[in-house]
Amino acid sequence: GEDVEQSLFLSVREGDSSVINCTYTDSSSTYLYWYKQEPGAGLQLLTYIFSNMDMKQDQRLTVLLNKKDKHLSLRIADTQTGDSAIYFCAERGDSGTYKYIFGTGTRLKVLA
Amino acid sequence: EAGVTQFPSHSVIEKGQTVTLRCDPISGHDNLYWYRRVMGKEIKFLLHFVKESKQDESGMPNNRFLAERTGGTYSTLKVQPAELEDSGVYFCASSFLAGPPGELFFGEGSRLTVL
Repeated sequence: GEDVEQSLFLSVREGDSSVINCTYTDSSSTYLYWYKQEPGAGLQLLTYIFSNMDMKQDQRLTVLLNKKDKHLSLRIADTQTGDSAIYFCAERGDSGTYKYIFGTGTRLKVLA
Repeated sequence: EAGVTQFPSHSVIEKGQTVTLRCDPISGHDNLYWYRRVMGKEIKFLLHFVKESKQDESGMPNNRFLAERTGGTYSTLKVQPAELEDSGVYFCASSFLAGPPGELFFGEGSRLTVL
């Protein structure tokens, strides 16, 4: 079956790096995503990675994909208080109805 | 450009009552999705519309839930009669393309509390 797992909480100090981890089960997933939900807002796409890539970097964000272990991570460098939010990992296949399978979300708290 | 809007933002009802949630997608987005998050758990897929047609309703929990998208514009999700376990945040999302990578644009969610 399809399942995406994440730890529920992460707390870091401002300026440190944050690493949010995710494991998924569907090996046929072609795209994996990170969405961010700030308080009182809807989810917003942060970044995504195609399954034939190992790494994707975008400014302070680095996404690592280990396809063998079905493990995805999001690293935020120089974490700021504005990064405090819930981060959702999601997978998606490239056939059928293309529905997203989301994880539980990791609540990141950045301490000043 | 207006984003995805949902109404109401919060609804408190008693068990056995009916609630209707509404979603207005971004104009021009044929794909509309409903998701639900029960507190502390994953965001679960409910169903997917392409225009006015139900493309996939495999996530709908039971026949107490009815989703419609008349005319392929806004959508409603009705819960009748509501049960305690229906409490959660109902998210609507829309996208222009159905296939990947296909960014989803989410509304702020409608929080449903069933007492």
